[in-house]
Amino acid sequence: AQSVAQPEDQVNVAEGNPLTVKCTYSVSGNPYLFWYVQYPNRGLQFLLKYITGDNLVKGSYGFEAEFNKSQTSFHLKKPSALVSDSALYFCAVRESLGDSNYQLIWGAGTKLIIKP
Amino acid sequence: DTGVSQDPRHKITKRGQNVTFRCDPISEHNRLYWYRQTLGQGPEFLTYFQNEAQLEKSRLLSDRFSAERPKGSFSTLEIQRTEQGDSAMYLCASSLGTGESNEQFFGPGTRLTVL
Repeated sequence: AQSVAQPEDQVNVAEGNPLTVKCTYSVSGNPYLFWYVQYPNRGLQFLLKYITGDNLVKGSYGFEAEFNKSQTSFHLKKPSALVSDSALYFCAVRESLGDSNYQLIWGAGTKLIIKP
Repeated sequence: DTGVSQDPRHKITKRGQNVTFRCDPISEHNRLYWYRQTLGQGPEFLTYFQNEAQLEKSRLLSDRFSAERPKGSFSTLEIQRTEQGDSAMYLCASSLGTGESNEQFFGPGTRLTVL
């Protein structure tokens, strides 16, 4: 079965510094990987996805993620953090249900706190 | 706003009562998902529709839970004889089911509190 791990419950970064939110996965076959962000009192928002192609994927709000097959990782990154980036971040992997149907398997989430 | 909407946003009920939640997906999306999320956890898959057909239901889902999508548009999730352990955020998401990797668009959720 597919699984996703986010090893850090919380990440603290000073504003302006680079940030990394870690995600590792376990899948059979080629992974389809996603990052979502959840702001307080708001729904989950899609940030970016990796399906195939370049290992560095660019997404919304200046975020990017690097797919590393040998390390089975898909870490989320941003060169310069903003206070407004403070939120809960979820990594997810697609699990096939057969017949072109699938569901997302989610990590537990990482709380990102950006301090001014 | 043409995003996914959910109603109500909050529901407080007494143990043993039935509750029903509604989800209106993005209009052209044929796939609709229900998830449950508790504090400090990622979303937990409950069930999935393609158009009006319910194609998958989590093995963890109690028989007290039922979902419908009668016309392939909005969906309802009903919980019968609620228990305190049902207290959670219930999330609905929709996607356009063409291609292999369509991202899901989420509603704001319905927060259920069972007293």
